[in-house]
Amino acid sequence: GDSVTQMEGPVTLSEEAFLTINCTYTATGYPSLFWYVQYPGEGLQLLLKATKADDKGSNKGFEATYRKETTSFHLEKGSVQVSDSAVYFCALSDQARQAGTALIFGKGTTLSVSS
Amino acid sequence: GAGVSQSPSNKVTEKGKDVELRCDPISGHTALYWYRQSLGQGLEFLIYFQGNSAPDKSGLPSDRFSAERTGGSVSTLTIQRTQQEDSAVYLCASSLEGTGLTYEQYFGPGTRLTVT
Repeated sequence: GDSVTQMEGPVTLSEEAFLTINCTYTATGYPSLFWYVQYPGEGLQLLLKATKADDKGSNKGFEATYRKETTSFHLEKGSVQVSDSAVYFCALSDQARQAGTALIFGKGTTLSVSS
Repeated sequence: GAGVSQSPSNKVTEKGKDVELRCDPISGHTALYWYRQSLGQGLEFLIYFQGNSAPDKSGLPSDRFSAERTGGSVSTLTIQRTQQEDSAVYLCASSLEGTGLTYEQYFGPGTRLTVT
């Protein structure tokens, strides 16, 4: 079945450092891809998404490009801030289901940014 | 406007007891999802409701788990004869529609279930 693999954490960076969190997927169809973020004590929030190959999702300085040839959707940010400390989840929509677009998540990567 | 709400926020129960978890989706959202977040398994899909259609129960881990959605709005997830491996955070999400275009899923804060 469909699956998502993302890099193990935790990732520890200094403020203003460059961030990459790797995410690769396997899917039988043409899924949509997402990054969700979970800040401490808060619920999951959609950070960005891409619905087809070569689409780039972006939000709050974060970017990710849907790469069909490498089945990847890596998350990047040029200069992280302390407030970016959170758990990041890569996810895809399961197009194989008959109804609905249930999400399949990676295991999450914890990012800790220090000043 | 109000987001997805879940209750209780925390639930501690003894092994073998039944529990009910509640989800209030965003008003007007026709699709509702339950997920489970546990240390060992990450985030797993459990069940999906879309309007008046039969729910997609393919993610439920055992027949001890069931869910209903009354009046197309509030949903209750019931776990019977709880086991320690049921300990997890149970997340509810809603979206405008589940089929066709991919609509954003809005998540609630979750219910942390601990089975002792």
